[in-house]
Amino acid sequence: AQSVTQLGSHVSVSEGALVLLRCNYSSSVPPYLFWYVQYPNQGLQLLLKYTSAATLVKGINGFEAEFKKSETSFHLTKPSAHMSDAAEYFCAVRLDTGTASKLTFGTGTRLQVTL
Amino acid sequence: EPEVTQTPSHQVTQMGQEVILRCVPISNHLYFYWYRQILGQKVEFLVSFYNNEISEKSEIFDDQFSVERPDGSNFTLKIRSTKLEDSAMYFCASSVGGPGIQHFGDGTRLSIL
Repeated sequence: AQSVTQLGSHVSVSEGALVLLRCNYSSSVPPYLFWYVQYPNQGLQLLLKYTSAATLVKGINGFEAEFKKSETSFHLTKPSAHMSDAAEYFCAVRLDTGTASKLTFGTGTRLQVTL
Repeated sequence: EPEVTQTPSHQVTQMGQEVILRCVPISNHLYFYWYRQILGQKVEFLVSFYNNEISEKSEIFDDQFSVERPDGSNFTLKIRSTKLEDSAMYFCASSVGGPGIQHFGDGTRLSIL
């Protein structure tokens, strides 16, 4: 079975500061990992994905994440926060079964960006 | 850019009533999913659907739930006799292939009174 743990349900950063959202995964086989963002009253938008190619993955809006197998982590970072980054961020894991495979989500981290 | 559309955006229903949530997946996608998010909790998988049959379902997806692709464009989730605990945001998603990226709609907020 696969699972993800997101440390910190709320993270607050100043505009221009580094954003670091933590995600650790548990999987019996090499996983596919994802970060989704949810803006208020909207659906889930894919930020980036790891699918066993490069361990450093670049996504949209300046976000990136690094897959570290030794630490079972897939933390999301952005060098400089913008007010528009305020949203809820979800880490998710999926097994590669070759068929319709479900996403298992973490509990989410709400990012607040202050002036 | 093509997107998944869900209707209605908000549905209010009396407990015990049947409700149907509708989704129009992206047109060339073949795999369809429903997830739900109870307020303040994480997004949970309900069911996946491919080739007109359920591929996988979670423990949540009991006999009160059913899914259907009634025509070439719609994908529906039916809850036969709603309970208070069914109140949640329901998300539809679709992907080109099974391993493909899942694209999500904006969700239907279901409120059971």
